[in-house]
This record gives sequence, structure tokens and C-alpha cells, in this order.
Amino acid sequence: GNSVTQMEGPVTLSEEAFLTINCTYTATGYPSLFWYVQYPGEGLQLLLKATKADDKGSNKGFEATYRKETTSFHLEKGSVQVSDSAVYFCALTPRGSYIPTFGRGTSLIVHP
Amino acid sequence: KAGVTQTPRYLIKTRGQQVTLSCSPISGHRSVSWYQQTPGQGLQFLFEYFSETQRNKGNFPGRFSGRQFSNSRSEMNVSTLELGDSALYLCASSLDQGGPDTQYFGPGTRLTVL
Repeated sequence: GNSVTQMEGPVTLSEEAFLTINCTYTATGYPSLFWYVQYPGEGLQLLLKATKADDKGSNKGFEATYRKETTSFHLEKGSVQVSDSAVYFCALTPRGSYIPTFGRGTSLIVHP
Repeated sequence: KAGVTQTPRYLIKTRGQQVTLSCSPISGHRSVSWYQQTPGQGLQFLFEYFSETQRNKGNFPGRFSGRQFSNSRSEMNVSTLELGDSALYLCASSLDQGGPDTQYFGPGTRLTVL
């Protein structure tokens, strides 16, 4: 079946540090890949997505590249801010399906 | 435009009871999906309703059920509650049937089963 594995958190960084949150997946074919962010007390918000190999999704300084050869979709940001503190979810939908599979989420804490 | 509304926001029940959660989608949205979020299992898809019909279903027991009304509002019901049903239940709406990238999520209902 389909699965998404994220690095366990919490990830604790100082403001302006470089961020990487690892995400690898298992799926048949070519799934679509997503990153979501959940701020405290709020629902999920789509952060970025990629639908085919080598695509790079980007938004708000975050980016992730769809790597078919390593089945990965790592999230990166060059300089994090305190306001980036949240839980980040990696997810996929198989080709031809709307049913998503999510990772367990990675908590990010950014200190001033 | 108002966002997705979920009621109640917090709920405490005891084992064996049943519970009904409500979701009001964004005006004009016809698809509503439900998700369960727990620390152990993460975020899992429960089901999706579109035009009052269940279109997709995740891998949950029959104790979990839902419905959608003609105004697109949706309810989710869990019968015979178990401790493991304690979770944040998220509702998401979209204009039409589609993947999670087309969905707008509500803030969730926090269910605690004692």
C-alpha cells in the first residue's frame, strides 16, 4: 500500500537557520506529493505541491523537489522565522485517486 | 467568505457512548471530507461526501459513519466510542470532488473519550 514517512520531531531551530524536513514515500506509479502546514488551533493549509518527477513546489520561501529516484520530497527553507513554528505534514495521492495518505507530521519550533 | 466551520470545537464523552460532529463547508462547496488526527497514527482519511453521496471511504470500522445534507453540511457519527477514538477530527470542503490540494480545512473538533 501507500505510505509516507517523515522525520520525527520536534525540530528545534534558531531564527534564520536552514530547515530541512525529510519525507520519503512508497507508492505505485507516479503519485502527486504535497506539504501541508498546521498552525496551533487551526486546520491544515496547503503549503506546496508537485505532480511529476523533478517538479519543484515552492511557496512562502519553502520549497520541495519531487525526486522519483529516491522517492523523496524533502521540505527546505533557507531562513526560518518564529512564525514558521507549526506542524508540517507530507502527503501523497496516488495517480487517479483523490484519497490522500499523510505522514505523521513533524513539529517545528523556531526560537528567536 | 466564511471558512469551514466545525461544531462543537471540544467534546468529552465516555466509552460506549456515541457522538455526532458537524461541519459547515464554505458556501458553494459541494464536497466534504473528514479526517482523523491522532499522535500515534497521524492524519488519516475517513470519508468524502459529494452531492449527498459518499464517494470515497478510508479504512475505518463501520462505527464511523457520515452523511451530507442537501445544503452540503455534513455530519460524522461515531458509535460505541472507544478510548482510541480520542482525536482531532478535521473536516475539509472543496468546490467539487478532488484531491486534498483543492480542500479548505476547518479548525477541527477535539474529541476526548474517557
